[in-house]
Amino acid sequence: LAKTTQPISMDSYEGQEVNITCSHNNIATNDYITWYQQFPSQGPRFIIQGYKTKVTNEVASLFIPADRKSSTLSLPRVSLSDTAVYYCLVGDFVTGANNLFFGTGTRLTVIP
Amino acid sequence: EAGVTQFPSHSVIEKGQTVTLRCDPISGHDNLYWYRRVMGKEIKFLLHFVKESKQDESGMPNNRFLAERTGGTYSTLKVQPAELEDSGVYFCASSLGPRTTDTQYFGPGTRLTVL
Repeated sequence: LAKTTQPISMDSYEGQEVNITCSHNNIATNDYITWYQQFPSQGPRFIIQGYKTKVTNEVASLFIPADRKSSTLSLPRVSLSDTAVYYCLVGDFVTGANNLFFGTGTRLTVIP
Repeated sequence: EAGVTQFPSHSVIEKGQTVTLRCDPISGHDNLYWYRRVMGKEIKFLLHFVKESKQDESGMPNNRFLAERTGGTYSTLKVQPAELEDSGVYFCASSLGPRTTDTQYFGPGTRLTVL
């Protein structure tokens, strides 16, 4: 079962690049890695998803090493509005959603 | 287009009472999921509907929880009788397809407090 571990919190200044790493040592072959962003009083919002190597979209990049035992969400040039909790989710709905594991979340605070 | 909505946003009940949470998915989304986060713990999957059928209910904690999705549109999650450890935030999400690669859209959640 792919339990996940993330840092509890991170601080960053505006304009900097932020990298948040999630460890998932027991990731299974069919598992995908998905990152979500959550603001207070809202539900998680999809940011990016990957299986291996690197994925990039308009808001973030996701780096996954060859062994897939960790993943790093990279947010380029953060702004104050990026202050939120970021979760990594590892799992696969096909093999059983009860094997899905959200991380405990990383609280990112962007400082002016 | 409206997103996933949940009602109520907050509910405070006493131990032993019954509470029913409602989720309205995005129109056209056949797949509907329930999750919850109890205090200080991770978000955990509860169950997955495909239309009106329960595709996967492996995350339901016990038989005090009953989820329904009659007609394949909105869904309800009933807790009866509620216990103290049921307190937490209950999220609903919906997606077009059932695959892991189908983006799930989450509602704002219902915060349940059992006294």
